[in-house]
Amino acid sequence: ETVMTQSPATLSVSPGERATLSCRASQTVSINLAWYQQKPGQAPRLLIYGASTRATGIPARFSGSGFGTDFTLTISSLQSEDFAVYYCQQYNDWPPITFGQGTRLEI
Amino acid sequence: QVQLVQSGAEVKKPGSSVKVSCKASGGTFSSYTFAWVRQTPGQGLEWIGGIIPIFGTTDYAPKFQDRVTVTADQSTGTAYIELTGLRSDDSAVYFCARGASGRYLGEDWGQGTLVTVSS
Repeated sequence: ETVMTQSPATLSVSPGERATLSCRASQTVSINLAWYQQKPGQAPRLLIYGASTRATGIPARFSGSGFGTDFTLTISSLQSEDFAVYYCQQYNDWPPITFGQGTRLEI
Repeated sequence: QVQLVQSGAEVKKPGSSVKVSCKASGGTFSSYTFAWVRQTPGQGLEWIGGIIPIFGTTDYAPKFQDRVTVTADQSTGTAYIELTGLRSDDSAVYFCARGASGRYLGEDWGQGTLVTVSS
């Protein structure tokens, strides 16, 4: 099983600032890495897949990078609606598909 | 975009079973993948298993292998998960998620179904 580890657990940032979230895989997942945003009471929303490709309708301020075992999600200028929990997911090797434990982005 | 509508909340006794449905609207059902992911209150996301209807194949997380069944009815465009031997720690919100191209990627998600296991 590929273990996904996210850091930090909580990130406190001000609106307008940049946020950088990290995700590390216990073994290589190539570029088969996705990022999701989840707000309270809602289902997750796909932001990034293929490590760096934005999903349909995702603003350009969201960007992803990385390959192999180390990945980053960057939000260039935080908007109020971006404060949420973010999860990474590997889909390179299954079963099982595995998620990180999440990073809470707070004001 | 594909809309996924899940069945309603369930309350079950320990040891019983639950079956949750996920009806897809739009697109070509058989070309998609459907995964089931659960989330306990205040916790993260846990992948349970999935199905690729066009291949008729299923995949299950080892943790759930012996008590979960994922199926798909192409005639109605509906995916199902059945979990048996319910325990209190199975109480969670269960989501279905749609992917494509043989990947278990959550491109669209259902609204979630709350399953409560309590005596």
